[in-house]
Amino acid sequence: ETGVTQSPTHLIKTRGQQVTLRCSSQSGHNTVSWYQQALGQGPQFIFQYYREEENGRGNFPPRFSGLQFPNYSSELNVNALELDDSALYLCASSLVGGFTDTQYFGPGTRLTVL
Amino acid sequence: GEDVEQSLFLSVREGDSSVINCTYTDSSSTYLYWYKQEPGAGLQLLTYIFSNMDMKQDQRLTVLLNKKDKHLSLRIADTQTGDSAIYFCAERNTGNQFYFGTGTSLTVIP
Repeated sequence: ETGVTQSPTHLIKTRGQQVTLRCSSQSGHNTVSWYQQALGQGPQFIFQYYREEENGRGNFPPRFSGLQFPNYSSELNVNALELDDSALYLCASSLVGGFTDTQYFGPGTRLTVL
Repeated sequence: GEDVEQSLFLSVREGDSSVINCTYTDSSSTYLYWYKQEPGAGLQLLTYIFSNMDMKQDQRLTVLLNKKDKHLSLRIADTQTGDSAIYFCAERNTGNQFYFGTGTSLTVIP
């Protein structure tokens, strides 16, 4: 167990809707990253938040947005859902400046867009 | 952007050693990682290596890093059926962003 939790576990939405996914970081970690993992693929980096500010972004459109809260929990919001957004969404927390800065992953939220 | 490549499949007999290979392109990578993902589950950190090291051993796992060739490998000794999973290598850049390979599916034959 990594101490990183995500909710919900599974979610079904229809095209055009909006979705919010939640992540609770491991205690003491101040950085959270979000990834999209399509079926049969490796995780793709969406963005990272460090101390409530976006700290880097992958090749995802602006309809993917996020928030990090003072308690280091985080949200991923996706607007105007498309069928290709169906994937496993993973969050990972880390402590920037720590000895290894290793990312610890949550179990993921499986999003299905119909 | 960074490019991390792995072979897609590997099949070994129980008790043999498995070697999973990975190549990457970002020469400024600071850490390189191996993660394991079992069906329907998130990613489990197995081990990592700092970029100024050549080798790291952790129980049954041995990581070899050839920085000149940008090649990383994971050797699993005495492979067990419970080792069947998808293995991802990942590199971390100086911005603390991680880039993953496409994963190698390891099948262990009893």
